[in-house]
Amino acid sequence: TQTVSQSDAHVTVFEGDSVELRCNYSYGGSIYLSWYIQHHGHGLQFLLKYYSGNPVVQGVNGFEAEFSKSDSSFHLRKASVHWSDSAVYFCAVSATGGYKVVFGSGTRLLVSP
Amino acid sequence: NSKVIQTPRYLVKGQGQKAKMRCIPEKGHPVVFWYQQNKNNEFKFLINFQNQEVLQQIDMTEKRFSAECPSNSPCSLEIQSSEAGDSALYLCASSPGPNTEVFFGKGTRLTVV
Repeated sequence: TQTVSQSDAHVTVFEGDSVELRCNYSYGGSIYLSWYIQHHGHGLQFLLKYYSGNPVVQGVNGFEAEFSKSDSSFHLRKASVHWSDSAVYFCAVSATGGYKVVFGSGTRLLVSP
Repeated sequence: NSKVIQTPRYLVKGQGQKAKMRCIPEKGHPVVFWYQQNKNNEFKFLINFQNQEVLQQIDMTEKRFSAECPSNSPCSLEIQSSEAGDSALYLCASSPGPNTEVFFGKGTRLTVV
């Protein structure tokens, strides 16, 4: 069974700052990782994914994430945030070939002007 | 942008009443998921389908929910007898297959009074 942990429930930064949202997973096999964003009152929107290859993956709106097998992590980063990046971010995992996606508890990012 | 359509956006039911929500997955997506998201942003996987067949479901769904994804008709999720604890955002999602991006609808917010 795969599990996902997002250790920071809330992160507050200023516009223009860099940010890293942390995600750690637990699963013994081959895994598929992704990040989603949820603005208030809406469904989730896909940001990026990792399955294999280059451990640093680029997503939409300047987001990137880095997979680390040794740390069991898939942290999300952005070099310079905008106020519109304020939202809840979810890390998600599924076993390779699996259909069930398991979500973390989310990190609420607040970007102050 | 996701083309998963969920109706209604808001649903208010009394305890003991049936509550039914619908989802039209993206065209060409054979895999459909239902998740329940509570006020703490926590996701609970409910059920998934591939075409018309149930792939996985949790015990609660099997006992208290009725779900289907008929061909050429919207998918549906129905709570047979609503309870206060069922108040949540119900998210439908679809994907082309395993380990691919999952596209979410905007959700149906159920309030059980």
